[in-house]
Formats: sequence, C-alpha cells, structure tokens
Amino acid sequence: RKEVEQDPGPFNVPEGATVAFNCTYSNSASQSFFWYRQDCRKEPKLLMSVYSSGNEDGRFTAQLNRASQYISLLIRDSKLSDSATYLCVVSPGGYNKLIFGAGTRLAVHP
Amino acid sequence: DTGVSQNPRHKITKRGQNVTFRCDPISEHNRLYWYRQTLGQGPEFLTYFQNEAQLEKSRLLSDRFSAERPKGSFSTLEIQRTEQGDSAMYLCASSSDRGPNQPQHFGDGTRLSIL
Repeated sequence: RKEVEQDPGPFNVPEGATVAFNCTYSNSASQSFFWYRQDCRKEPKLLMSVYSSGNEDGRFTAQLNRASQYISLLIRDSKLSDSATYLCVVSPGGYNKLIFGAGTRLAVHP
Repeated sequence: DTGVSQNPRHKITKRGQNVTFRCDPISEHNRLYWYRQTLGQGPEFLTYFQNEAQLEKSRLLSDRFSAERPKGSFSTLEIQRTEQGDSAMYLCASSSDRGPNQPQHFGDGTRLSIL
C-alpha cells in the first residue's frame, strides 16, 4: 500500500466549477501536511500547508482529518490557470522529508 | 534569481556511463533534499543533508548513487554505471531550519534519459 494515496483523475471541469480532491495517508505519526501544485514538466510548487483546524487561501480550502488520516483540497470558481496536477504531501516531521502522492490531474476548460 | 538552481536541465547518456548533477540551494537554506520523479508518479525522497552532513538515505539510493555537499552549500548527485531504470527527473529542494514546517523550494530539476 502506498503511503499517500490520491485519485489520479483526470478531473475535467468547466470554468467556475467547484472541485474537490481527496487524499489518504497511512502513517498515523505524520505531522505536517501540504498540497503542492505541479504544472506539466515543471517542478512542484507549494500551494498551501494544511492545518488541523482547516485553512483557506483565497479560492482554495484545505481540510485535515487526523482520525481518518484524510486530507482534502477544495477549489472554488475554477480558472483555466488552475489546470495542473495537485500533489498531496505528508511529512513525518523533524527535518520534514516529504512523502508525495502520485497526484490528481485537473483540467479546467472554457 | 535566488531560487534553487539545478544543472544540467537535461542529460542524455548511454547505459553504463556515469553522470553527475549539481544543485545550488537558496543561499540561506541549510537543509537540502534530493528527490526522483518518474512519469505519472509523485517525487520520491532520495536523500537529505543538514549543512554538509548527509543524515538520511532512502533505500531507493543504491550503491551506484552517491550524493555530496562538501561545504554545506551546493550539492552533487552522481550515478555510476547508469541503467535504463535511472531515467527520471531528479529534483533538488532546499529549506530553512528556522522554525517548524518550513516549506521546501524545488529547483527545475534535471531530466535524465538513458539510451
């Protein structure tokens, strides 16, 4: 079983739609949680950290459920520029080695 | 540009050759990481340096792989006797150790193709 599991998609949505991605992780001792975004053939870039109380950054909302070992990302009012692969990432803490899921592809169309 | 810098961007080589990649982290970052990413997968952790000390190596890092960070600044990753399975994107990241959950900043990566 992979340490971080994500639905690979693709999710094809029209502009303006709301889309949600989910992710589960296997190590209950994980301490830090992130969503990264990766454009085709580019490096991953931090989208947002995920906190236990949930957090929001503009159109993006992240939630963490430690009991269920589940992380989510909600994107509201999708833009064409949101088309990318979204990587769910956990870390055991300490120096924060990152453990990535395989990513969920999002395609936003006009 | 003060981001993480990697070179070369692309490397094509024949099976059995040795290759070396370089990573220059963000200057004030003392943590440096190497990851490998294959098509359709997320990056996989390879190794971690705190300053010049290599503190963790993944089981993915066979004895053909060696990484160094001799002065605690730039790092090199060498692959000896390359195999076709080594074809991947090799990503370097750096972060600060000031405070918890410091984000890792990635370089553009070195794409390795083994013929």
